[in-house]
Amino acid sequence: GQQLNQSPQSMFIQEGEDVSMNCTSSSIFNTWLWYKQDPGEGPVLLIALYKAGELTSNGRLTAQFGITRKDSFLNISASIPSDVGIYFCAGQVKKLTFGTGTRLTIIP
Amino acid sequence: GAVVSQHPSWVICKSGTSVKIECRSLDFQATTMFWYRQFPKQSLMLMATSNEGSKATYEQGVEKDKFLINHASLTLSTLTVTSAHPEDSSFYICRGGRSPALNTEAFFGQGTRLTVV
Repeated sequence: GQQLNQSPQSMFIQEGEDVSMNCTSSSIFNTWLWYKQDPGEGPVLLIALYKAGELTSNGRLTAQFGITRKDSFLNISASIPSDVGIYFCAGQVKKLTFGTGTRLTIIP
Repeated sequence: GAVVSQHPSWVICKSGTSVKIECRSLDFQATTMFWYRQFPKQSLMLMATSNEGSKATYEQGVEKDKFLINHASLTLSTLTVTSAHPEDSSFYICRGGRSPALNTEAFFGQGTRLTVV
């Protein structure tokens, strides 16, 4: 089946730093989604991407749909404490396939 | 925004008993409900997809007789874990969508932490 490789697996940063994470696949997707999950909660949709090459922002978050349709990137600028959590990419053809997650920790 | 309310948020049950998890769409009609399982520090794995009034479609390796899904109305879907065992302990999450084709506009419930002792 389709698999999404998400990296890095975890990140330890200081408040104010920028963050970059990505997802890659050997398969082509029609849609890319980025979610954030807080402990003990369901994921919350951050950004949805529908076209190859599309670049979309949501506040301090920016995501891009790779032109090959096999990858996507999420950037967070000027991180703040509430950015802590697990970020998942998800790619869709018919079904939604989730990445392995990136755990973001902010070092005081 | 659209809200999917999932209950209970956590449950502890004895091995061999059954547990029911409910997901309600509060301000929209969830034509499609997706059920996921998430083990600690792992990703979400789709268990089954149900459309209102139809039988659920289960993913490969998911026992339909063990994980009973009911989607009898457009605002309520339930997952019943029957004869639960410790290996069923996990985080179960539903995701309700307005239509099968628009599942990018589907919304997650808060999740249910199931612990079988």
